Amino acid sequence: GAVVSQHPSWVICKSGTSVKIECRSLDFQATTMFWYRQFPKQSLMLMATSNEGSKATYEQGVEKDKFLINHASLTLSTLTVTSAHPEDSSFYICSARPNTEAFFGQGTRLTVV
Amino acid sequence: QQPVQSPQAVILREGEDAVINCSSSKALYSVHWYRQKHGEAPVFLMILLKGGEQKGHEKISASFNEKKQQSSLYLTASQLSYSGTYFCGTGPDYNQGGKLIFGQGTELSVKP
Repeated sequence: GAVVSQHPSWVICKSGTSVKIECRSLDFQATTMFWYRQFPKQSLMLMATSNEGSKATYEQGVEKDKFLINHASLTLSTLTVTSAHPEDSSFYICSARPNTEAFFGQGTRLTVV
Repeated sequence: QQPVQSPQAVILREGEDAVINCSSSKALYSVHWYRQKHGEAPVFLMILLKGGEQKGHEKISASFNEKKQQSSLYLTASQLSYSGTYFCGTGPDYNQGGKLIFGQGTELSVKP
């Protein structure tokens, strides 16, 4: 199957700082990638669709200015959580669908202190 | 539209069977089933595309009803390794954008 690599696996940052999470497709090109957020014991909530070479499409209720998404190449999408606050602490997962099946990155555990 | 899963949680003894349901008020293009272990990424189990479809692998199988509004995941003779949270997801074809929306999840615990 296809491989999606996400980095870092975990990060702890201070309140008010920004954090960048990378998502790479290692063996295929992805014109579209998806970013999800998951709170403990809850579902995978789609935040946005990352589009290579164009603006991301955000789901309703997701702050565009807070969660900056860049998809500059066919193998890399980044999510930057700006001015992070404790309520942004969560598990962030990226995904791509080169075919019917969706492949997920390993996820990033963000803790804002 | 988020699909609805039931039950929310299941506790089984090793060797017992379980059924997890996923439903929607509208016909779904497809249903994807994933299992997620705590702190890890979801792992693909299977996808169903056609109404009336049934498929499986070893002791895990799934069905998709004719109206494509309900899918069920069947876990037979459960093993300890089956423990985790199961999600059904649905969305358009990957050529049409492809984003998947997931149900709220079903937490399965298999005890010795």
